[in-house]
Amino acid sequence: DGGITQSPKYLFRKEGQNVTLSCEQNLNHDAMYWYRQDPGQGLRLIYYSQIVNDFQKGDIAEGYSVSREKKESFPLTVTSAQKNPTAFYLCASSRKGDPRGSGNTIYFGEGSWLTVV
Amino acid sequence: AQSVTQPDIHITVSEGASLELRCNYSYGATPYLFWYVQSPGQGLQLLLKYFSGDTLVQGIKGFEAEFKRSQSSFNLRKPSVHWSDAAEYFCAVAATGGGNKLTFGTGTQLKVEL
Repeated sequence: DGGITQSPKYLFRKEGQNVTLSCEQNLNHDAMYWYRQDPGQGLRLIYYSQIVNDFQKGDIAEGYSVSREKKESFPLTVTSAQKNPTAFYLCASSRKGDPRGSGNTIYFGEGSWLTVV
Repeated sequence: AQSVTQPDIHITVSEGASLELRCNYSYGATPYLFWYVQSPGQGLQLLLKYFSGDTLVQGIKGFEAEFKRSQSSFNLRKPSVHWSDAAEYFCAVAATGGGNKLTFGTGTQLKVEL
């Protein structure tokens, strides 16, 4: 089935460690996104990429890094510099460009829970 | 920069009752507006979206939303709620020319009483 796969679903990290969240899509989408979700704060954009080998910071990029070496993959690394990393992380993808296109919908993965212990 | 306000954090309705979830946006030009639904621990599913034209938009699962420019609102409605509609609902706005970058509201948690 086509879609977005995030792994792992649950992840525990010790303070001071980096951790990488995987996001793979087989929708042939050009654009991919990472959002962070905290209770009562909705979703906030961390990073996004419109094309392979290019990405831009979102609203809360500090303490995070990404790469986009392949069209289908957009991994997110939560570094030790991220002061409060415990959250629910959502990956998304869409076609590039104008969201008015009837087929240009953002699709979301099922998310990854990261807990710092 | 655009922003979205969902003034109701929690709403409880009885099954079969009507539903209206409020959304107010702030954006200088014509916005692209969306409603998403999220079940616990899951990703988001698009319910409907508005770009232009008819201000009453029909979506999936029997939901509709009305764009009112004069009130900067995009409220979500459903005539008769089902217990399976219990979830969290997010309103979002995308800037014109900004690609698909969405700015989300803080969400409204819907509880349905049987």
